[in-house]
Amino acid sequence: SQTIHQWPATLVQPVGSPLSLECTVEGTSNPNLYWYRQAAGRGLQLLFYSVGIGQISSEVPQNLSASRPQDRQFILSSKKLLLSDSGFYLCACARDSETQYFGPGTRLLVL
Amino acid sequence: GESVGLHLPTLSVQEGDNSIINCAYSNSASDYFIWYKQESGKGPQFIIDIRSNMDKRQGQRVTVLLNKTVKHLSLQIAATQPGDSAVYFCAENFNTDKLIFGTGTRLQVFP
Repeated sequence: SQTIHQWPATLVQPVGSPLSLECTVEGTSNPNLYWYRQAAGRGLQLLFYSVGIGQISSEVPQNLSASRPQDRQFILSSKKLLLSDSGFYLCACARDSETQYFGPGTRLLVL
Repeated sequence: GESVGLHLPTLSVQEGDNSIINCAYSNSASDYFIWYKQESGKGPQFIIDIRSNMDKRQGQRVTVLLNKTVKHLSLQIAATQPGDSAVYFCAENFNTDKLIFGTGTRLQVFP
């Protein structure tokens, strides 16, 4: 079964600074990969998903971007963070386009 | 998704009782459904899934019921334990690469 790694686990960044969150997957090949954001006590908001290397679909207009440089690597980035970018960022992986398995998440606090 | 901005409803149960968590899904064409459990500070964890050609599926202490007529999904947890305390999300898929997540329900187990 697949294992999903996310780092860092926690991050505190000033407003206007850049961001790079990384997600890597082990134990599967050619997965679909997803980035979600979750505000405290709220549901999951899909930000980006990718069905292959270099293929990115954006779900909501925002201050963030995503890239997939390798089959099992998915990166979430920002050039300038906003206060509203604070949240819990989750990476998910799906091998069959259906069941998604989630990583441990990165908690981002923008001050 | 539409669930992102809503506060989570809460279900409080006594340890040892059975819990029933409900979910109304949005698309009558959805053919695959998943329940996830999310503990505080962690990523969602897959619990159980069901396809639309089934009405019921059982796992260890959990049962998922699907009523396609009214587009309703439920998760039953037998003999609820303190470790079951978490937020539970349902998700649906209708032949796409994305899941549609429900609002989420917070389950609180008290002694």
